[in-house]
Amino acid sequence: LAKTTQPISMDSYEGQEVNITCSHNNIATNDYITWYQQFPSQGPRFIIQGYKTKVTNEVASLFIPADRKSSTLSLPRVSLSDTAVYYCLVGDGQAGNNRKLIWGLGTSLAVNP
Amino acid sequence: EAQVTQNPRYLITVTGKKLTVTCSQNMNHEYMSWYRQDPGLGLRQIYYSMNVEVTDKGDVPEGYKVSRKEKRNFPLILESPSPNQTSLYFCASSLSPPQFYEQYFGPGTRLTVT
Repeated sequence: LAKTTQPISMDSYEGQEVNITCSHNNIATNDYITWYQQFPSQGPRFIIQGYKTKVTNEVASLFIPADRKSSTLSLPRVSLSDTAVYYCLVGDGQAGNNRKLIWGLGTSLAVNP
Repeated sequence: EAQVTQNPRYLITVTGKKLTVTCSQNMNHEYMSWYRQDPGLGLRQIYYSMNVEVTDKGDVPEGYKVSRKEKRNFPLILESPSPNQTSLYFCASSLSPPQFYEQYFGPGTRLTVT
C-alpha cells in the first residue's frame, strides 16, 4: 500500500512562503498526488493535484520530482487564514476500479502575526 | 449549488441504539466515501463506493454498514453503536478515477455514543 509521511506541524509568519513536503515512496505509476486543506470542524477542501513536475493554481504550487517519491506543496505569502491542517493524498496503487485513497496524518500549519 | 449534505450534524446516542447518518450529493458523482476523524489520527476511511450497488471496505469498517441503492445517497449505518465510535464523520463524493482525487466533503456529523 502506498503511504505518505508529512511533518506533524510547522510554524510560519504572515507573508512568508511555506513549503510542506510529503513522502510517498510506493506511489503507483498511474496515481496522482493531491493536497487538501482542513479548518477545524470543517470537511477537507481540495487545494491542488498533480502527476509530475510542477502545477500551479491561484492558491498554491505543487512540485513533484522525476522519481515521484515525494511532493512539496508551496503556499506563497501565507496569511493568518492559512492556518489549517494540510493533507497529502495518493491512491493505494491497486489495479482495477475499486481503489482506496490513502491519507497522510496531515501537517498542522500555524501562521503567526 | 453543488454540495454534499449530511444529517444529522450532531447526534448524541446511547450504546446499542441503531442509528443512520445520511449523506447525499447533487453532483452526479459515482464515487462516495465515509471517513471518521479522531484527534491525532487524521482521516480514516470507513467504506467507499465506486457506484450504485458497489461498495468496499476502507481502513476501519468494523462496526459500520453502508448501502448504495441510489447514486446520490450513501447512508452510514451503525447497527449497535459503541463509545469507541464517538467521532467526527465526513461523507465525500467525487467523479470516477482519475478525477476521484478531487473529493467534495460534507460538513461533518459529530457523533457521541454514551
